[in-house]
Amino acid sequence: GQQVMQIPQYQHVQEGEDFTTYCNSSTTLSNIQWYKQRPGGHPVFLIQLVKSGEVKKQKRLTFQFGEAKKNSSLHITATQTTDVGTYFCAGNNAGNMLTFGGGTRLMVKP
Amino acid sequence: EAQVTQNPRYLITVTGKKLTVTCSQNMNHEYMSWYRQDPGLGLRQIYYSMNVEVTDKGDVPEGYKVSRKEKRNFPLILESPSPNQTSLYFCASSLSWGSGQYFGAGTRLSVL
Repeated sequence: GQQVMQIPQYQHVQEGEDFTTYCNSSTTLSNIQWYKQRPGGHPVFLIQLVKSGEVKKQKRLTFQFGEAKKNSSLHITATQTTDVGTYFCAGNNAGNMLTFGGGTRLMVKP
Repeated sequence: EAQVTQNPRYLITVTGKKLTVTCSQNMNHEYMSWYRQDPGLGLRQIYYSMNVEVTDKGDVPEGYKVSRKEKRNFPLILESPSPNQTSLYFCASSLSWGSGQYFGAGTRLSVL
């Protein structure tokens, strides 16, 4: 079945440093979604990418979808303590299931 | 306020005692889904529903049942819970398949 791998598993950064998490799928995706889960909370939808090579920005967050629609990345510029949490990618393939990556836990030192 | 409501939030039960976790959404969403979240394993889909009376298995359906008799409700049923079903469960809904999902607050289940 479809597998979605996410790296790194954990990342410690100093406040103000940049952060990137990468997502790779074993199959071509119809779209990819990104979610953020704060400690003790539930996943919150951030964005969806649909087109090959698509790039979207939300303030300090930049999301990319690979040309082959099998990989994606989330980059945060100048991290803040409010960015702390686990970031998940989730891929939709031709079927109706949504497969989540294992998540990247971001910790920010003030 | 748009929301997905799960109940209960916490549940401790014993092996074999049937239980139901309810999920309700007030956004008229077509797509609903159940996930379990375990340390190191991320979120795994248990069952999903494309619309009323349409349900299908996700990655880890064994030991679970669901029903979708009404658009707003999607209960998760554990007929005979076992300790390996101890987990954090999330219900989610979206306008349609493929769109971003709204998650409930979660149900932490312990099966002794």
